[in-house]
Amino acid sequence: QVYLVESGGGLVKPGGSLRLSCAASGFLFSDSSMAWIRQAPGKGLEWLSSIPTDGTISYADSVKGRFTISRDNAKNSLFLQMHSLRAEDTGFYYCATDITVAGYTAFHNWGQGTLVTVSS
Amino acid sequence: DIQMTQSPSSLSASVGDRVTITCRARQTISTYLNWYHQKPGRAPELLIYATSSLRGGVPSRFRGSGSGTDFTLTISSLQPEDFGIYYCQQSYSSPRTFGQGTRVEIK
Repeated sequence: QVYLVESGGGLVKPGGSLRLSCAASGFLFSDSSMAWIRQAPGKGLEWLSSIPTDGTISYADSVKGRFTISRDNAKNSLFLQMHSLRAEDTGFYYCATDITVAGYTAFHNWGQGTLVTVSS
Repeated sequence: DIQMTQSPSSLSASVGDRVTITCRARQTISTYLNWYHQKPGRAPELLIYATSSLRGGVPSRFRGSGSGTDFTLTISSLQPEDFGIYYCQQSYSSPRTFGQGTRVEIK
């Protein structure tokens, strides 16, 4: 059974920073590409960033230069360092497995999410 | 960015009804289309990937079809647990974008 547990969310002032973590278990983390996806309250889903097992990390334009994705395979953990936070960054942040099967990529497993609120 | 548009935005149907949700891409995405289901207060769950491949454990009443720019999610016989929001998502190119969602309510 795949488990993904996000933590690190909370209330932060505009311009502030926050670091999200995602603890993974139940699968071979070091062999899995991972992603962060967010959802503003009552809104739709927005892919933010993906980190492969090796190769190029990718970011959505909305967070490029402000957010940094990283992973620690020894600790089965995924991270999202967020700087220069804005009100529009408010939402639930989900980590997900970013799996490719027969050339087709999808977010196969999701954590329960952690809420980030950017407000003064 | 490839814009994904779903229709309808919401629907209400009875248990046992056949339900169809459509998803249109602004440009061709071949069959690089996924569907997710989200219940209130829960994380989304993958239902279908690569247009028509059911994820393991997903009931066979769910069917995906389409190619190019037009795609369909069909629930052959709506069940009470199928309420929630359905999202399509393209994996053809980065950034991978989602549709705005279709809310399904049970009458």
